[in-house]
Amino acid sequence: DAKTTQPPSMDCAEGRAANLPCNHSTISGNEYVYWYRQIHSQGPQYIIHGLKNNETNEMASLIITEDRKSSTLILPHATLRDTAVYYCIERTSYDKVIFGPGTSLSVIP
Amino acid sequence: DGGITQSPKYLFRKEGQNVTLSCEQNLNHDAMYWYRQDPGQGLRLIYYSQIVNDFQKGDIAEGYSVSREKKESFPLTVTSAQKNPTAFYLCASSPVDRVYGYTFGSGTRLTVV
Repeated sequence: DAKTTQPPSMDCAEGRAANLPCNHSTISGNEYVYWYRQIHSQGPQYIIHGLKNNETNEMASLIITEDRKSSTLILPHATLRDTAVYYCIERTSYDKVIFGPGTSLSVIP
Repeated sequence: DGGITQSPKYLFRKEGQNVTLSCEQNLNHDAMYWYRQDPGQGLRLIYYSQIVNDFQKGDIAEGYSVSREKKESFPLTVTSAQKNPTAFYLCASSPVDRVYGYTFGSGTRLTVV
């Protein structure tokens, strides 16, 4: 089973910030949190990852709580092209990664 | 450009036939993975390999086989023993270190006719 939990679906108005939550309450100290997204019938695309600190890149921001038990992916100005399934996963070295069902984000015009 | 290539993009198979899906990467990644995705579902792990000539079963390995003779290649064979093979198949690769993420191929859509 996946080690993370996410809401199955969310809506966001175009131009607004999309905040996608993820619970990873059993995360260990050496596991990174990764976010990917998958547009229909394509391979998942890397978005961002982090260990303890908040991270930002050209696509998104990642906010990790101080206890590391949850995180939020923020798409600051959602566009219709951000409509996709978003996966939050934990990554440790030398281990397989289990993907859960993710969050289906719909950006509404 | 470095990347991971899956071929073919679409594949049709008659019931009872084995079929092999190709996955090649030129990223020098040690680990490679095969996932299966059914409509509206997440990714389920079939097999993974962290080093040449070694691989492990994932959660749904029955009816599938793999080989890892070269670092760059990780082909997946869907055998006739797989009862419901119609699905979208994704290959991924990564360094084994946790600080690096996965790179995915564009997928192969297999349909049994």
